[in-house]
Amino acid sequence: DQQVKQNSPSLSVQEGRISILNCDYTNSMFDYFLWYKKYPAEGPTFLISISSIKDKNEDGRFTVFLNKSAKHLSLHIVPSQPGDSAVYFCAASARGYSGGGADGLTFGKGTHLIIQP
Amino acid sequence: EPEVTQTPSHQVTQMGQEVILRCVPISNHLYFYWYRQILGQKVEFLVSFYNNEISEKSEIFDDQFSVERPDGSNFTLKIRSTKLEDSAMYFCASSEAWVERGGVQPLNEQFFGPGTRLTVL
Repeated sequence: DQQVKQNSPSLSVQEGRISILNCDYTNSMFDYFLWYKKYPAEGPTFLISISSIKDKNEDGRFTVFLNKSAKHLSLHIVPSQPGDSAVYFCAASARGYSGGGADGLTFGKGTHLIIQP
Repeated sequence: EPEVTQTPSHQVTQMGQEVILRCVPISNHLYFYWYRQILGQKVEFLVSFYNNEISEKSEIFDDQFSVERPDGSNFTLKIRSTKLEDSAMYFCASSEAWVERGGVQPLNEQFFGPGTRLTVL
């Protein structure tokens, strides 16, 4: 049951270039989306989020785009830095940006981003 | 910066034994969660906890699991009789909450601890 799909297990990008990580979802009840970054032997670290009432959210080098009609979101990192090398998880919530509903986040399998010098 | 902490970092146990995994959520957070990640698989939601009771649980969270907030700072996950398939990373998370008409609701952003690696032999 893959409600949140990250179809690229890994992605290699040159330092300074743009990294684009993709995520698709199937559950129409999802209305809030989050990206987490995970280093080995650490827990997921919250990166950026977006509610379904928006199509873009930006925070420094990180921008998340949401295309509701396509049930697709993407995380853009520009410029990519060596410290960005990690596994990136897309997660979704059916709780809604104002609360109510399911508490648990549904995660994708992750994409391992490798930034090459 | 406040963070979620978890102990131990690694727990090895024999099949059939009970284990307790411990977490200290961020101090002003009101909602607490447990997730697990079996090697090579997704992070999966187990349970959420608010106001000293379970708010929501997944189908994974069966009778062998229980959660407790034994004091003002700790949040624990107990697995009563461990099975080989319980071997996984267990992550604790917490989130702030806000008061909305009708009650208290958790914010969507959940902050995770470093995890406990449970190995069942």
